Amino acid sequence: DGGITQSPKYLFRKEGQNVTLSCEQNLNHDAMYWYRQDPGQGLRLIYYSQIVNDFQKGDIAEGYSVSREKKESFPLTVTSAQKNPTAFYLCATNRGGTEAFFGQGTRLTVV
Amino acid sequence: AQSVTQPDIHITVSEGASLELRCNYSYGATPYLFWYVQSPGQGLQLLLKYFSGDTLVQGIKGFEAEFKRSQSSFNLRKPSVHWSDAAEYFCAVGYLEYGNKLVFGAGTILRVKS
Repeated sequence: DGGITQSPKYLFRKEGQNVTLSCEQNLNHDAMYWYRQDPGQGLRLIYYSQIVNDFQKGDIAEGYSVSREKKESFPLTVTSAQKNPTAFYLCATNRGGTEAFFGQGTRLTVV
Repeated sequence: AQSVTQPDIHITVSEGASLELRCNYSYGATPYLFWYVQSPGQGLQLLLKYFSGDTLVQGIKGFEAEFKRSQSSFNLRKPSVHWSDAAEYFCAVGYLEYGNKLVFGAGTILRVKS
């Protein structure tokens, strides 16, 4: 089946740790996105990538990093510089100018 | 700056009543417009989309939306709400000239009274 797979579904991070969230797609879409969702704030764009080996900062990129070495994969690293990382993270893909397709999300909690 | 406004954080309607969720956006040209629905702890599902043509678009689950250029609005409607429609609804706008950037509103939580 075609789709977007995010893993893990739940992730716990200790203070000062870096963690990496996985996003894999087999839709053959060029564009991939990472959004952060907090209650009452909608989805805020962290990073997006239109093509392999290229990506742009979104509105809240500080404390996050990404890579796009393969078309299918767009991992997000939440670094220790992100002071409030507890949130629901959503990965999305699309083909230019079309609707976005979403993964099922990863809930990250700082413990 | 690109922005999408959903002015209603929460809306409560009785089952069988009609529904309208509001969405306004800031943009000069005609953007690509979307409505998504999200159940708790899940990803987002596309309800409908507008790219061009007829300004009244039909979506899944009996939803429709109307694009009004003069008001920069894209309101979502349903004539008769079902209890299963209770969820959070997001309006989104695609800005092709900003690298295909998708901007979302803050969402509207719909509660349905039986």
